[in-house]
Amino acid sequence: KNQVEQSPQSLIILEGKNCTLQCNYTVSPFSNLRWYKQDTGRGPVSLTIMTFSENTKSNGRYTATLDADTKQSSLHITASQLSDSASYICVVSSGGYNKLIFGAGTRLAVHP
Amino acid sequence: TAGITQAPTSQILAAGRSMTLRCTQDMRHNAMYWYRQDLGLGLRLIHYSNTAGTTGKGEVPDGYSVSRANTDDFPLTLASAVPSQTSVYFCASSEFEGFSSDTQYFGPGTRLTVL
Repeated sequence: KNQVEQSPQSLIILEGKNCTLQCNYTVSPFSNLRWYKQDTGRGPVSLTIMTFSENTKSNGRYTATLDADTKQSSLHITASQLSDSASYICVVSSGGYNKLIFGAGTRLAVHP
Repeated sequence: TAGITQAPTSQILAAGRSMTLRCTQDMRHNAMYWYRQDLGLGLRLIHYSNTAGTTGKGEVPDGYSVSRANTDDFPLTLASAVPSQTSVYFCASSEFEGFSSDTQYFGPGTRLTVL
């Protein structure tokens, strides 16, 4: 069964600290993996997308990594800010948009 | 540019009643989607439309119907609501379907409570 599992479920960090969120998947075939940021009460917004041949991609203070062999991805946030408080969702595609598998997300709280 | 708008923002609905959730995009995207988001679960696809005039079933289509009469609008209808349809509903669009590397844009969501 195609699944995307994220850890931890929730995380609290202090402003200015770094953190890493994890995503493990068992989706086949694999097309690409993306990370979304979802602020409370808003829709998800795309942060990064990686295909099979890419193992790292950055978007400002966000850096995503992909290990297609172990089927793991991580999202690293550097020098966290209060505005980083949100849910971060890992999504794996096995084809078109009707074949997206969403993880349940990691809820990140950045405290001053 | 507004992007994707959804209406209403929230709604409380009695079980057995019907309701249409509205979704409009101004980006002239070909593909549109409806998802539901439940606590502790990932977003699940309800229905999608690759282009105006066509629709398809997603992972959880039962109890829902859609239409795509034009490019901009993609309404979701609950014919006879049940409490298990209590959820947050997101509409999304992408320029092309079939290219899953294409960016998907989401609306702000509709929070629906069925009592």
